[in-house]
Amino acid sequence: DAKTTQPPSMDCAEGRAANLPCNHSTISGNEYVYWYRQIHSQGPQYIIHGLKNNETNEMASLIITEDRKSSTLILPHATLRDTAVYYCIVRVGGYGQNFVFGPGTRLSVLP
Amino acid sequence: DAGVIQSPRHEVTEMGQEVTLRCKPISGHNSLFWYRQTMMRGLELLIYFNNNVPIDDSGMPEDRFSAKMPNASFSTLKIQPSEPRDSAVYFCASSWRELDTQYFGPGTRLTVL
Repeated sequence: DAKTTQPPSMDCAEGRAANLPCNHSTISGNEYVYWYRQIHSQGPQYIIHGLKNNETNEMASLIITEDRKSSTLILPHATLRDTAVYYCIVRVGGYGQNFVFGPGTRLSVLP
Repeated sequence: DAGVIQSPRHEVTEMGQEVTLRCKPISGHNSLFWYRQTMMRGLELLIYFNNNVPIDDSGMPEDRFSAKMPNASFSTLKIQPSEPRDSAVYFCASSWRELDTQYFGPGTRLTVL
């Protein structure tokens, strides 16, 4: 079972920031938070990951709360091409365990 | 750099036929993963390899499914005999190490009639 909770869907206006929340209240100290997205009919695409500090790359920013029980993925200037399903995943490490994808959040960027 | 390559992209077959899906991981990656995605069950891990050795196949649905990785640059997922409920999109992913970020291929859309 996925260890994260995400809203099933969100809308965002083109050009605005998209803020996608994720709850992971049972996260362990050595578990990372990963974000992937899946644009229709394509394979999941890696976006960003972090442990406890906020992270930023060319695609997005990841804000993790101090208690690490929730995080927010920020797409600073959403475009129509950012319409996709976004998955928040807590990485369960060790042999026999791996990425567990939940249902994710379907983000619709509207013109 | 070429990403993960999968073939065929689309496969339509009849129930009872053998189906073989192929995957070429990113060069230098030594972990490879096979996933299946359906509307009902979402994205599920079927099996993964580390250094060409199967590590965990607990996600393989039944004995009709088998996977091999004869070398670092090639893996197959075989279904024999295929059934309509096997219809899904099958993704292959690879990573540099087992616990590292995974990079996914474009998938193979399988339809079993």
